[in-house]
Amino acid sequence: QKEVEQNSGPLSVPEGAIASLNCTYSDRVSQSFFWYRQYSGKSPELIMSIYSNGDKEDGRFTAQLNKASQYVSLLIRDSQPSDSATYLCAVNRGGTGGFKTIFGAGTRLFVKA
Amino acid sequence: DAGVIQSPRHEVTEMGQEVTLRCKPISGHDYLFWYRQTMMRGLELLIYFNNNVPIDDSGMPEDRFSAKMPNASFSTLKIQPSEPRDSAVYFCASSFALNYGYTFGSGTRLTVV
Repeated sequence: QKEVEQNSGPLSVPEGAIASLNCTYSDRVSQSFFWYRQYSGKSPELIMSIYSNGDKEDGRFTAQLNKASQYVSLLIRDSQPSDSATYLCAVNRGGTGGFKTIFGAGTRLFVKA
Repeated sequence: DAGVIQSPRHEVTEMGQEVTLRCKPISGHDYLFWYRQTMMRGLELLIYFNNNVPIDDSGMPEDRFSAKMPNASFSTLKIQPSEPRDSAVYFCASSFALNYGYTFGSGTRLTVV
């Protein structure tokens, strides 16, 4: 089992719809969670961070965290063609094994105009 | 701030040659990370520094890879000798704390022929 799992997609949604991206992680001691957006040929860009259970909203983006289910998601409302990119879930964990940030393989999102 | 600056953007070299990648982190960021990204393996952490000191190099694939951070504003990743399987995009990232997200540089696309 991978430490951080994401559906590779591609996920295709029409313009204006809600895109829902999901991520599960295996290590219960994980402490902080991030979503990065990566356009083709570019570097990852941090778009959301979340540290406690519940929802966190920033503009059209909402991150949701459920530590009991070891699940984190990203909702993109009113999706735009410019949102078409790969979205990487990242999980920070500490503990006896030392600090580590584990990235998922990413979900490719296509927003159709 | 100009962000995390990496050089060169592209590097094509012959197998067996030495390759040096360079990174300037964001001023004030105490943590610097070197990542490698490939289609097969995604984003992999190679090594990270805190206040110029290497903390975890367990991701460095083998002795051919070495990294240094002689001061707070400069780091290098060296591969000697290079091999075709080292071909990847190498990212440098920095952060002001471990539990915060990272700012990535634009990356160095390395091709070893």
